[in-house]
Amino acid sequence: DIQLTQSPSFLSASVGDRVTITCRASQGISSYLAWYQQKPGKAPKLLIYAASTLQSGVPSRFSGSGSGTEFTLTISSLQPEDFATYYCQQLNSYPPTWTFGQGTKVEIK
Amino acid sequence: EVQLVESGGGLVQPGGSLRLSCAASGFTFSSYWMSWVRQAPGKGLEWVANIKQDGSEKYYVDSVKGRFTISRDNAKNSLYLQMNSLRAEDTAVYYCARASYDSSGYIDAFDIWGQGTMVTVSS
Repeated sequence: DIQLTQSPSFLSASVGDRVTITCRASQGISSYLAWYQQKPGKAPKLLIYAASTLQSGVPSRFSGSGSGTEFTLTISSLQPEDFATYYCQQLNSYPPTWTFGQGTKVEIK
Repeated sequence: EVQLVESGGGLVQPGGSLRLSCAASGFTFSSYWMSWVRQAPGKGLEWVANIKQDGSEKYYVDSVKGRFTISRDNAKNSLYLQMNSLRAEDTAVYYCARASYDSSGYIDAFDIWGQGTMVTVSS
């Protein structure tokens, strides 16, 4: 099975900061990686798919990059509504067992 | 409006059974792979099961194989998860999710999620 490791697991940042979260896959997954944002008590929300494509309606301060085994999610200027937990997910495995990373919690500094 | 609504969660004793449902609306349900994802209290997301558009392929995380069964009824626009032999570690919010696909037909994300239904396994 493909494992995803996110770093850091916890991040403390201020409004306006540039934030980068890394997701590493245990084997190559091409660009079949998605990023989600989850706020407490809410369902996850898709931010980015295909490693770097912004989902419709998602602010342009979010961006994704990478391919193969290393991926990043960047928030260019952190806003108050961005404090949440972020998850990566791989969708390249066969059989299709589409695993998630363990999550990165972004909190207010 | 594109929507997924889960139901069927609740409190069940260890060893018991529960059937979750997910009602889809606002899109052509039969055109999409569907999935169940769960989240134990205070923990991360865990993919549980997938089912192909016509129900011909089903996949499960190892921890639920032989106990959980995913199914769908395209005529009713509904997804199901039959959970048997439930354990305390199955306690979680269960989400259904739609798997979106690119122009080549490859799955590229879970783009629509339900609000979740809570399953608590406890005596």
